[in-house]
Amino acid sequence: DGGITQSPKYLFRKEGQNVTLSCEQNLNHDAMYWYRQDPGQGLRLIYYSQIVNDFQKGDIAEGYSVSREKKESFPLTVTSAQKNPTAFYLCASSPRYTGELFFGEGSRLTVL
Amino acid sequence: SQQGEEDPQALSIQEGENATMNCSYKTSINNLQWYRQNSGRGLVHLILIRSNEREKHSGRLRVTLDTSKKSSSLLITASRAADTASYFCATDEETSGSRLTFGEGTQLTVNP
Repeated sequence: DGGITQSPKYLFRKEGQNVTLSCEQNLNHDAMYWYRQDPGQGLRLIYYSQIVNDFQKGDIAEGYSVSREKKESFPLTVTSAQKNPTAFYLCASSPRYTGELFFGEGSRLTVL
Repeated sequence: SQQGEEDPQALSIQEGENATMNCSYKTSINNLQWYRQNSGRGLVHLILIRSNEREKHSGRLRVTLDTSKKSSSLLITASRAADTASYFCATDEETSGSRLTFGEGTQLTVNP
């Protein structure tokens, strides 16, 4: 079935460690996005990419990094520079020109 | 930055009643979208309304858009317990370059 797969679903990290969250889509969508969601709040945009080998910072990019080497994949690295990384991370993709986002099931990161 | 603001923050109704959620935004938009999120899951797209449209229907959902007031409403008719979820509006601002900005959501509880 077509969709977006995020892994891992749950991740625990010690302070000072970098972690990478995976996002893969087989929908043949051009654009991919990473959002962060804190409890009881909306989504804030971290990074987005509209084409392979190109990406742009969102509203809260500090402490995060991404790559877009393949159309299907848009991994997010949460670095040790991110001061408060505990959150629910959501990856999404969209076809060109329609604007509708398709979301994965999310990855919950907890820093111990 | 949060563009959309939903009202109310929380809504509790009985099965069979209608639920109305409102969204206000600040800048000119290309379109406005509504999403649903079950607890701990990814978001699911419900409906998109373009800036030149005033009303749109999809099953038990009715969305209105008033660009002069910069506001939208989502009406769910004949609600069911399975409609219990958080509902988010998201705006595609004219100057955003195809990135969506989400509000903080309305938590809807439908009591059986």
